[in-house]
Amino acid sequence: QSVLTQPPSASGTPGQRVTISCSGSSSNIGSNYVYWYQQLPGTAPKLLIYRNNQRPSGVPDRFSGSKSGTSASLAISGLRSEDEADYYCAAWDDSLSGPGVFGGGTKLTVL
Amino acid sequence: EVQLVESGGGLAQPGESLRLSCAASGFSFSSYEMNWVRQAPGKGLEWVSYISRSGGTKYYADSVKGRFTISRDNAKNSLYLQMNSLRAEDTAVYYCARDGGIDYWGQGTLVTVSS
Repeated sequence: QSVLTQPPSASGTPGQRVTISCSGSSSNIGSNYVYWYQQLPGTAPKLLIYRNNQRPSGVPDRFSGSKSGTSASLAISGLRSEDEADYYCAAWDDSLSGPGVFGGGTKLTVL
Repeated sequence: EVQLVESGGGLAQPGESLRLSCAASGFSFSSYEMNWVRQAPGKGLEWVSYISRSGGTKYYADSVKGRFTISRDNAKNSLYLQMNSLRAEDTAVYYCARDGGIDYWGQGTLVTVSS
C-alpha cells in the first residue's frame, strides 16, 4: 500500500476538466511540497507540477496543482487524447527514515 | 540539455549482485541531490534511494535497506546503485532521477532477477 493515496483510475471526454486527488498525512503532504508526474506508456515519468502548484517551462497551463492540508489535487482542463497516461503524486515524508514517497498512480483514460 | 543515462541492468539470479550506473551531463552534477526510483512491471513508482550533494546523507526504502548502497562520484558526474542479495521482487526498471524534488529522469535500465 502506498503512503500517498490516489484513485486507481479517472476518465473524461475531450475538452472536459478532470481532477486527480492525492491524500496523505501531516508528515508528508501536510508539511512538504507535492510533485506531480505524467508517465506516457513505455516512457519515463515527466515532471508536471513542482512545489504544489508550479509548472516547469514547457508544461501547458491546462495542467494545474493545488494543495490543502493533507491533500493535493492535479487538475487537467481542456482534456486532450494525448493526456491519456498514468499520473503520480510524490512528497517527502518526515516520519520515515527513507527517501520520498509516491502515490499508487492514477490511470487517466480519455474517452 | 540535462541527460541521465543508466546502465548496468540485466539478468541476475536470486542472491546475486548488480551495480547500476548513471552518467549525468548537461548540468553541474555536484550541485544536485540524486535518487534511484524503480518501477516493477505493470506497477507504480517506488522511491528506492536518495543521496545528498556531497554523498554524506543517504536514505533507503525499507524494502532495500541493508542490501542496496547508493553512491556518487562528483568528479566523474556519476551516480551508482550497488544491489546485493537480489530478490525476485527487485525486478523492475530502475530510473536515475535528479534533485530532491525530482525534476529530470533517465530512460531507465531493466533489472530482472530470476533463476
